[in-house]
Amino acid sequence: DVKVTQSSRYLVKRTGEKVFLECVQDMDHENMFWYRQDPGLGLRLIYFSYDVKMKEKGDIPEGYSVSREKKERFSLILESASTNQTSMYLCASSLPPIYEQYFGPGTRLTVT
Amino acid sequence: AQTVTQSQPEMSVQEAETVTLSCTYDTSESDYYLFWYKQPPSRQMILVIRQEAYKQQNATENRFSVNFQKAAKSFSLKISDSQLGDAAMYFCAGLNNAGNMLTFGGGTRLMVKP
Repeated sequence: DVKVTQSSRYLVKRTGEKVFLECVQDMDHENMFWYRQDPGLGLRLIYFSYDVKMKEKGDIPEGYSVSREKKERFSLILESASTNQTSMYLCASSLPPIYEQYFGPGTRLTVT
Repeated sequence: AQTVTQSQPEMSVQEAETVTLSCTYDTSESDYYLFWYKQPPSRQMILVIRQEAYKQQNATENRFSVNFQKAAKSFSLKISDSQLGDAAMYFCAGLNNAGNMLTFGGGTRLMVKP
């Protein structure tokens, strides 16, 4: 079974802090994705990566950056957290082409 | 798909009954993929069913089936013999033109009444 894990289930940070969210997959997938999930808005893509050290902006990249130094690991970075970044963050991975994405359990981030 | 719309924020169904969740999408492509994902409470999102647009036959996976109306750009999910474990958020999604991104709808929360 494909396993996608995320570093934290719940996280509380203060405004202005630097926040790291980490995602690890164990199935040698080329593609990895970061989404944020908000009620009524569904999932919106922040960034994705189709290879090590490669990254592409999604629909809402502002305020975020990513890092992919190893194939199995994809990190989402909030350089200076703001309250409007309070959300559920989901990581996913897939083989190309995208016939199915495998999701992690999510990190609920609260910025106060 | 460039946009995906789910017009039902919440639905409820009696156990053992059938329920249909609606989804419409917009795309300029002739060949594309559509998906339904399920997110149970506090559990990971999983793929329920996938439809390839070039296939005229509607996809079916056990109690889950789709009604794919290509001309109307409609992709509804039918759940037959609903079970308590079907209670979840359901997301419709479409693959973008480049084939490297999914666009998700806003989701439908399905409640199953015993």
